Formats: sequence, C-alpha cells, structure tokens
Amino acid sequence: DAMVIQNPRYQVTQFGKPVTLSCSQTLNHNVMYWYQQKSSQAPKLLFHYYDKDFNNEADTPDNFQSRRPNTSFCFLDIRSPGLGDAAMYLCATSRGSQGYEQYFGPGTRLTVT
Amino acid sequence: ELKVEQNPLFLSMQEGKNYTIYCNYSTTSDRLYWYRQDPGKSLESLFVLLSNGAVKQEGRLMASLDTKARLSTLHITAAVHDLSATYFCAVVSYYGGSQGNLIFGKGTKLSVKP
Repeated sequence: DAMVIQNPRYQVTQFGKPVTLSCSQTLNHNVMYWYQQKSSQAPKLLFHYYDKDFNNEADTPDNFQSRRPNTSFCFLDIRSPGLGDAAMYLCATSRGSQGYEQYFGPGTRLTVT
Repeated sequence: ELKVEQNPLFLSMQEGKNYTIYCNYSTTSDRLYWYRQDPGKSLESLFVLLSNGAVKQEGRLMASLDTKARLSTLHITAAVHDLSATYFCAVVSYYGGSQGNLIFGKGTKLSVKP
C-alpha cells in the first residue's frame, strides 16, 4: 500500500543535543510537510517542500531545519532541542500545494530530557 | 488572514444521542477537510469537502459545507463509544503568506459515555 512512513516513532533526546526525524513516502507526491503538534493543540505547520522548493513558515524558529534529498524522503533537523520542543511531529504529503488533500504519517513523539 | 473556529471544544455525549460540531471560517474558501485523531496517534482523514453544498456520509458521521455561510458541520448520529476522539476541521487558505496551506481549528474533543 502507498503510504507515509515516519521514523523513529518515539525519540528521546537530551536538551541541546541535535536530533533528526525522518519521513518517507511511496505516494510519489510533490509536496511534503512538517507539522508540530503539542498536547491538546492543533497541528502547526513548520515548513513544506514543493519538489525541491523550500517554504518556511514565518514563525518557525531557526532551530528547525529541513532537508529533502529526493522525492521520497524528507528530514526534520532540530539543532538544539529545548524542553519546549517536546511534541508530536507529523509529516504529511500531497499531490500539489493548492489545497490538495494531505496524507499524514503516524508521527514521531519527541521527548526532551 | 484566515481564522478557523470550532465549537464546541469539548463535547461529552451519551451513547445513542445525536449532536453537531460546527466549523466556522473567516475568509472565502471552498475546500475543507475533517480529520479524526485518537490519543497519541496521527490524523486520520474523514471527509473531503470540495464545493458549496457538498455532503459526505460515513457510518454515523455526516459532514456538510456551506461556503456562503463559511460553515461546515459534522453531525453525529446515535453516538457510540468508538467515536470518542478529537475531531479537527481544516480549511484551505487562498490568501496571503498561507496560500494553499491548511488552517486547522482547535479541535473538538468528543467523549461518548454509556
């Protein structure tokens, strides 16, 4: 089945220690998104790629970076995680960027100690 | 800037009862999505509403979209415990820096009790 895969599903990192989250997709979609969702809140868009074109949301902290080496993979790098970065990180894909349906991966739960 | 408001934010229902969740949005849009989220899980797509008057039904859930009123409803019929979850509506923004993005409501946490 075509799908969106995130690894790892659970990640524990230390305060200030860089961490990378991974997302892959077999849908061959052009757009990949990263969302941050804190407890009892709505998902918050961090950035997205349309093919190799990177689009950063204005309020995304510089601590968050992303890479998309090819169509299938996208990475979220948190350079110096703080306690406030503990959250569920959701990757999503869509065929296009103008309101097409987004398909979400299972998420990575990040804990910062 | 598009704003999306859901209400209620919390809903406790008895099994067998009917209820409606409302999703209002502030600027013109004709695409709206409903998602379900179970605790600790990701978002599961429920309904895709792509035009004025769209109505979709799946089991005990029915969603509709009125683009003129900027309103979508998610109606629950004869609730069962398995429907307990958080429900999000998400509206496509066609303006400004958020063009093409989904703008999420705050979610409605539904609890269905026996």
